[in-house]
Amino acid sequence: AQSVSQHNHHVILSEAASLELGCNYSYGGTVNLFWYVQYPGQHLQLLLKYFSGDPLVKGIKGFEAEFIKSKFSFNLRKPSVQWSDTAEYFCAVSYNNNDMRFGAGTRLTVKP
Amino acid sequence: DAGVIQSPRHEVTEMGQEVTLRCKPISGHNSLFWYRQTMMRGLELLIYFNNNVPIDDSGMPEDRFSAKMPNASFSTLKIQPSEPRDSAVYFCASRGVSGANVLTFGAGSRLTVL
Repeated sequence: AQSVSQHNHHVILSEAASLELGCNYSYGGTVNLFWYVQYPGQHLQLLLKYFSGDPLVKGIKGFEAEFIKSKFSFNLRKPSVQWSDTAEYFCAVSYNNNDMRFGAGTRLTVKP
Repeated sequence: DAGVIQSPRHEVTEMGQEVTLRCKPISGHNSLFWYRQTMMRGLELLIYFNNNVPIDDSGMPEDRFSAKMPNASFSTLKIQPSEPRDSAVYFCASRGVSGANVLTFGAGSRLTVL
């Protein structure tokens, strides 16, 4: 079965530290890749997406993600995190433009 | 547009009771998804519909769960009878034909089964 794996359950960083959250998916044909963010008490919001073209995708709030097809990965990065980035981050994959599967999520805590 | 609207936002019920969660997708969106979020299992896809037709319900935990979409503007997720392990936040999301495959989520329904 197709699946999405997020390697880190909980990441704790200090402000200004660099962030990289891992995401891998199982191969299943054409894929669209996403990162969603859920701030405390809020619903999920789209952070960035990859459909085709440049494998380095820029999103909102300084986030970016790189699609590496050979590794089936779509890691999320940010050079310098802020306290306001404290949230839960979900990687998602849509297979053949149909369903949308999410990883288990990574909780990010940024210490001021 | 008001976005994806879910109700109720919070529900507390006793084991054995029927629970009905409701979702109104964004007008014009043709796909609707139900997800369940728990600490242990993260965000699980329960079922999704295209043009009101259920496409994949393999994520529905068991026969106690059922979902319907009688028209393009309304969907329900029903649990009968409910059990404490059903306690979770249930999210509805919709996607448009021209929405570049992006889901828009509702605020969620937090269910507590005592």
